[in-house]
Amino acid sequence: DIQMTQSPSSLSASVGDRVTITCRASQSINSYLNWYQQKPGKAPNLLIYGASNLNSGVPSRFSGSGSGTDFTLTISSLQPEDFATYHCQQSYSTSLTFGGGTKVEIK
Amino acid sequence: QVHLVQSGAEVKKPGASVKVSCKASGDIISTYYMHWVRQAPGQGLEWMGIIDPPGDGTSYAQKFQGRLTMTRDTSTSTVYMELSSLRSEDTAVYYCARDRGHDNSDDILDVWGQGTMVTVSS
Repeated sequence: DIQMTQSPSSLSASVGDRVTITCRASQSINSYLNWYQQKPGKAPNLLIYGASNLNSGVPSRFSGSGSGTDFTLTISSLQPEDFATYHCQQSYSTSLTFGGGTKVEIK
Repeated sequence: QVHLVQSGAEVKKPGASVKVSCKASGDIISTYYMHWVRQAPGQGLEWMGIIDPPGDGTSYAQKFQGRLTMTRDTSTSTVYMELSSLRSEDTAVYYCARDRGHDNSDDILDVWGQGTMVTVSS
């Protein structure tokens, strides 16, 4: 299986900060990388697919980039509702795998 | 707009089986592939498998081979996940999720159920 590694595992930030989360694949996955946001006690919610495509209804402060093995999720100006855990997921292989998650906390 | 509504929490003893349902409301899911994903307490997400629209094609993660069965009832827009030979490590929240692809899977999960907590304890 393709291993997905996220960093950091957690971070503290303030409202208005620019936040960057990275995701690395154990082999090239082209642009088959998706990002999800999960709030406590809730199901994940699709944010970005295909590495850089914003899902419908997702605010433009979220953006994704990367290809091959290295990817980033950026929140340009952190809002109170963005404090959550973010997961990356590869859809290159038919055996899907997720990263371990990055928890974004309030500083 | 489709909503996925899952069955309620379950408590099972080691060695037992559990069957979780996921019913679509607001739209049919008969032309969509459906996935199951689980999340152990405080842990990340773990993909379990996928079932095709007619319900006669499935693919499971290797670690669940032999213990996992996914089925669907197209007449009621319901999919099912049954996990057997339960052990304590199977304690988790189990989610169903719709594949964004229409008729063909693209392995992007765009609609999720609310989750079902399964606790395995003697």
